[in-house]
Amino acid sequence: GNSVTQMEGPVTLSEEAFLTINCTYTATGYPSLFWYVQYPGEGLQLLLKATKADDKGSNKGFEATYRKETTSFHLEKGSVQVSDSAVYFCALRGSNYKLTFGKGTLLTVNP
Amino acid sequence: DTGVSQDPRHKITKRGQNVTFRCDPISEHNRLYWYRQTLGQGPEFLTYFQNEAQLEKSRLLSDRFSAERPKGSFSTLEIQRTEQGDSAMYLCASSLESTNTEAFFGQGTRLTVV
Repeated sequence: GNSVTQMEGPVTLSEEAFLTINCTYTATGYPSLFWYVQYPGEGLQLLLKATKADDKGSNKGFEATYRKETTSFHLEKGSVQVSDSAVYFCALRGSNYKLTFGKGTLLTVNP
Repeated sequence: DTGVSQDPRHKITKRGQNVTFRCDPISEHNRLYWYRQTLGQGPEFLTYFQNEAQLEKSRLLSDRFSAERPKGSFSTLEIQRTEQGDSAMYLCASSLESTNTEAFFGQGTRLTVV
């Protein structure tokens, strides 16, 4: 079956530091890949997505590239802000349209 | 665009009681999903509907759980004879049927069974 493994953290960074959250996946076929973010007390919000190999998803300074050869979709941001503090979930969607999530990575950014 | 709406936001119930949650998807979305999220974990798929048809149910969905989507609009998730292990955040999401569209999530219903 499908599965997602992501760096569990927690990750603590200072403002303006570089962020990487690793995500690898196992899936049959050609899944779409997503990063969702969950701010305290709120639901999941889509951060970015990529639907085929070598696609780069980007939003709000975050980027992730769909690497089929390494089955990875690592999240990066060049300079984090305090407002980026949240839980980040990597997810894949297979042919049956349901999402399979990783366990989430708690990011705390200190001023 | 009002987004996906879930009601209630919080529910505390005694063990053995029945509870029902409601989800109103984005109006033009024909797919509706239910997920469960426990503390420190990612959401886990429970079931999904295309219009009014329930197309898939997870093994996580025991006989005490039932979901409906009458007329392909809002959906309800009922848990009968609640157990402490049912305590979790129940998330609803909706999407269009089209291949490359993403799912939009509601804010969830947090259930606490005491």
